[in-house]
Amino acid sequence: AQTVTQSQPEMSVQEAETVTLSCTYDTSESDYYLFWYKQPPSRQMILVIRQEAYKQQNATENRFSVNFQKAAKSFSLKISDSQLGDAAMYFCAYVPGAQKLVFGQGTRLTINP
Amino acid sequence: DADVTQTPRNRITKTGKRIMLECSQTKGHDRMYWYRQDPGLGLQLIYYSFDVKDINKGEISDGYSVSRQAQAKFSLSLESAIPNQTALYFCAVQSLFTGELFFGEGSRLTVL
Repeated sequence: AQTVTQSQPEMSVQEAETVTLSCTYDTSESDYYLFWYKQPPSRQMILVIRQEAYKQQNATENRFSVNFQKAAKSFSLKISDSQLGDAAMYFCAYVPGAQKLVFGQGTRLTINP
Repeated sequence: DADVTQTPRNRITKTGKRIMLECSQTKGHDRMYWYRQDPGLGLQLIYYSFDVKDINKGEISDGYSVSRQAQAKFSLSLESAIPNQTALYFCAVQSLFTGELFFGEGSRLTVL
């Protein structure tokens, strides 16, 4: 079965510092997509970043970047210069080819002022 | 206007009542999903539909049913609501080309 594991239920970081959220997944597929979604207290699900498995270059979106290790099936999210607005639940997700997404259980990120 | 619209946004009902949550989209994608989220937890897949004639059960379909009225509309029904169905419900639309899910704003359901 395809699974996504987020081993850190909760993380905290000081404002302006860097934090890395971990995600591993299990798959036998070679073609797939990976995502990080953010759910702030407003409860809206917001796409943070997306990575295609065939691309070796790690995706970046402003202060958000990923470390994609395909052989290790690892997809971590790095948040640089953490801001109070980054406080949220973060979900890692995997979708193989044209199938449905598989979500991890989430990591709750707290930003300490 | 939002690309994925859910109605109602909040609903309080009583045990045994029938409830319908509606979802409509303007993204033009075929794939639609219903998820449930309990407080502080992750997303659980209830039902999904890859096109108008395709309906599939997810992980937790018991007690729920769906209807795909058109490409743009996908409704979730609770035939006889029970308190443990109190949760936040999300509709989502998936791009076939990028795999990305576009979420509605959620429908918070409370069953007393």
